[in-house]
Amino acid sequence: NAGVTQTPKFQVLKTGQSMTLQCAQDMNHNSMYWYRQDPGMGLRLIYYSASEGTTDKGEVPNGYNVSRLNKREFSLRLESAAPSQTSVYFCASSSRGFGQPQHFGDGTRLSIL
Amino acid sequence: SQQGEEDPQALSIQEGENATMNCSYKTSINNLQWYRQNSGRGLVHLILIRSNEREKHSGRLRVTLDTSKKSSSLLITASRAADTASYFCATDPFDTDKLIFGTGTRLQVFP
Repeated sequence: NAGVTQTPKFQVLKTGQSMTLQCAQDMNHNSMYWYRQDPGMGLRLIYYSASEGTTDKGEVPNGYNVSRLNKREFSLRLESAAPSQTSVYFCASSSRGFGQPQHFGDGTRLSIL
Repeated sequence: SQQGEEDPQALSIQEGENATMNCSYKTSINNLQWYRQNSGRGLVHLILIRSNEREKHSGRLRVTLDTSKKSSSLLITASRAADTASYFCATDPFDTDKLIFGTGTRLQVFP
């Protein structure tokens, strides 16, 4: 019973490199989310997908793109990494929309040098 | 901008004591949720309280909601060392489609 699985768990990039963070859920949830967590700032929403085939910007979308590949998978791409994107990234899912409890993966710890 | 603000930022207690954390928010909400985060892990949903509810229990957890004061509290009774974690409130604002997290309370329970 995996829940939400994120890969990789750790990554170090150089400024300007690109990478894709992967997320998959096995709970048949409709909605999926990407957050970043920085010290003293709580979680901030980057992008979300209310249902398969739709994506929307959150609070801090600049520098990121997303793809809802299918109902299970929601990826986050950094096209040209910047030191300001050093953070812990969490993927989450919920059955339907923001009013429902969210289930989180264990995060990807990303450092940009 | 942050909707939820937790208080205190950090709390240290002995096993067996009760721990109380508070959350204040700014706008009308549909519901308020509490999450726990253990070090190095993702958030885990604890409890959801709707705007028309005043109190809710789940095991050793008791949550209250006062919509007139725009505040909520999470009480953990008979704390255990395993309760050591950060606790976050998250609000589902009435007029926007998002879940807004506070900055959390770090709870340390000493054996």
